[in-house]
Parts: sequence; structure tokens; C-alpha cells
Amino acid sequence: GAVVSQHPSRVICKSGTSVKIECRSLDFQATTMFWYRQFPKKSLMLMATSNEGSKATYEQGVEKDKFLINHASLTLSTLTVTSAHPEDSSFYICSARDLNFFGTDYGYTFGSGTRLTVV
Amino acid sequence: RKEVEQDPGPFNVPEGATVAFNCTYSNSASQSFFWYRQDCRKEPKLLMSVYSSGNEDGRFTAQLNRASQYISLLIRDSKLSDSATYLCVVNHNTDKLIFGTGTRLQVFP
Repeated sequence: GAVVSQHPSRVICKSGTSVKIECRSLDFQATTMFWYRQFPKKSLMLMATSNEGSKATYEQGVEKDKFLINHASLTLSTLTVTSAHPEDSSFYICSARDLNFFGTDYGYTFGSGTRLTVV
Repeated sequence: RKEVEQDPGPFNVPEGATVAFNCTYSNSASQSFFWYRQDCRKEPKLLMSVYSSGNEDGRFTAQLNRASQYISLLIRDSKLSDSATYLCVVNHNTDKLIFGTGTRLQVFP
């Protein structure tokens, strides 16, 4: 089945620094990837839709200059949290959809997530 | 109003019990419906899709009522390994998945 690899799984950084999270589709091409954020005991909130070769589409309330998304190839999207602050500490998860998959789950696959702690 | 609403729980049930989760969604244009399971500090994993006719997968039964915009998940003969958060998810025929807040289930011996 489709596999999405997300790295790093865990990162601790100092306040004011930037952190890059990578999301790769390993055995399929993903023209679109999705970035979610999940705070403790809360649900996944979609932050942005990453589009290969074009600008990402951000959800309302998400600062595009703070959360930089790059989707330079059909298998890789990156999320960079710039000038991180403690309130950015969260679980970040990427997802991709294999459009050639015709199963009952519509082909959505999730990365294993990145736990970011800003100190 | 949240787009997908669920009772957050927690539901604490003994092994072998039957437990039901409910979910309501606000957008009548929603096209696809799913139940995902999320273990602590892990990514969500698809449990099952939900169809208008209702569907069953082993101990799990999902129902959809489009008129009431209501989705349910029934778990029979609960196992300790069923302990997790269950997420109700909808899709509006776009690529975006909209997640509910999740219902936490704890099965005890």
C-alpha cells in the first residue's frame, strides 16, 4: 500500500529558531499533500494544502509567512516553522492522497507525525 | 459550530461490552465519511469508510444517516486493544478531510 514517510519524528528546538519537517510519498506520486497540526487532546486541524509546483493554500488563521510550505517535487513536501515559539509546540502530521488508488479509503495516507517542542 | 462534532468521552467500558459513538456533521454537501482510530502520540489510521447502506467489518459497524447528518460507530465485544481515540471524518468531494474532535475509549479488564 501507499506509504508516506515523515521526518523527523521528534524535535526540540530553541525559541526563535526554524524547524523543517519533511514528508515523502515513497511509492506513489502526490500532487497534493496536506499538513495538519494537533494540540494535546484536540483534533487534527488542517493547516494548509501543499500543491506541487505552485503555492500552498492555507486555511483561515494560519500564517503563511510563519509556516512555509514547499512542494518542489511529486514526492516531497516540506513544512518549515520559522521563528518558532513555545506556543508552536504541537504534533504536526502530513498526509497525501494516491489518486491511482481505488480502494475504499480513497487513498489517504498519513505520515507518522512530528512532535515539535519549542523551549 | 464545529463542522464535525463528537462526544469527547472518555467512554470507560469493560472488556466484552458493546459501545456506540455518535458524530454529527454540519455541511450537507459532505460526500464521504470515515472512522479513523488514533492511538496516543501516533498518526490516525483508517478504521473503516461509512456508506449510506451501513457497513460492518468484524466487530465494527458503521451507519450513516444523511437526512439527519449523523454517523455512528458500534463496537461489539470490546477488547483491551480497542482503547484509543476514534475520529469521525468527512470529505466534501474535495481533497480535504475534516476531522471531528474524537471520542476517547478506554476498555478495562
